Amino acid sequence: QSVLSQPPSASGTPGQRVAISCSGGISNIGSNSVSWYQQLPGSAPKLLIYRNNLRPSGVPDRFSGSKSGTSASLAISGLRSEDEAEYYCAAWDDNLSGSVLFGGGTKLTVL
Amino acid sequence: QVQLVQSGAEVKKPGSSVKVSCKASGGAISSHGISWVRQAPGQGLEWVGGISPGFGPGMYAQKFQGRVTLSADRSTSTVYVHLSSLTSDDTAVYYCAKEGGATGEFDYWGQGTLVTVSS
Repeated sequence: QSVLSQPPSASGTPGQRVAISCSGGISNIGSNSVSWYQQLPGSAPKLLIYRNNLRPSGVPDRFSGSKSGTSASLAISGLRSEDEAEYYCAAWDDNLSGSVLFGGGTKLTVL
Repeated sequence: QVQLVQSGAEVKKPGSSVKVSCKASGGAISSHGISWVRQAPGQGLEWVGGISPGFGPGMYAQKFQGRVTLSADRSTSTVYVHLSSLTSDDTAVYYCAKEGGATGEFDYWGQGTLVTVSS
């Protein structure tokens, strides 16, 4: 069971906007930055969002992140078929000797 | 451009140990931490441990304390994860990942190494 909670699934139709939530606690999301990763089947994860809301070079601005208190959210606008993937949130935890926590992952289906 | 290239797949017997390597190239690798993240079949991502910037001391997830050791060879910019007392629950793809900055996000990932534990 992951300490960071994500819905196991989400879905949307092409062009729609979807949001994926990530809920944690004071010692992790409440105290540290959140990052988001996209994992396509058979591939390594790819960094999508870091420091809560920043995009690495090359990540489309359709992807955005936000954080409030002990929760974070990843939003994808203008949904495309290639966005169908697994999405994970992550944050360091101050209570666990500096461990990194990942959410359980959300499988996004583009209908 | 940073590249992390991992060693090949391993098949191990229960009770044995495995050592997986991750060779880094490009960029100032020694200025950033390197972590290991594993993914069991059909499951999510799980942080195993990380080595500090400059190939310093390792930090380990509580779950793996006493069973995992991270090490590094500065001369070849290679980081290793050694996991002992293997069980079938350790069957997973093991990824190395480079920390991007002070906020600890993982900006580059290795291709993954499948470790299968089976009698």
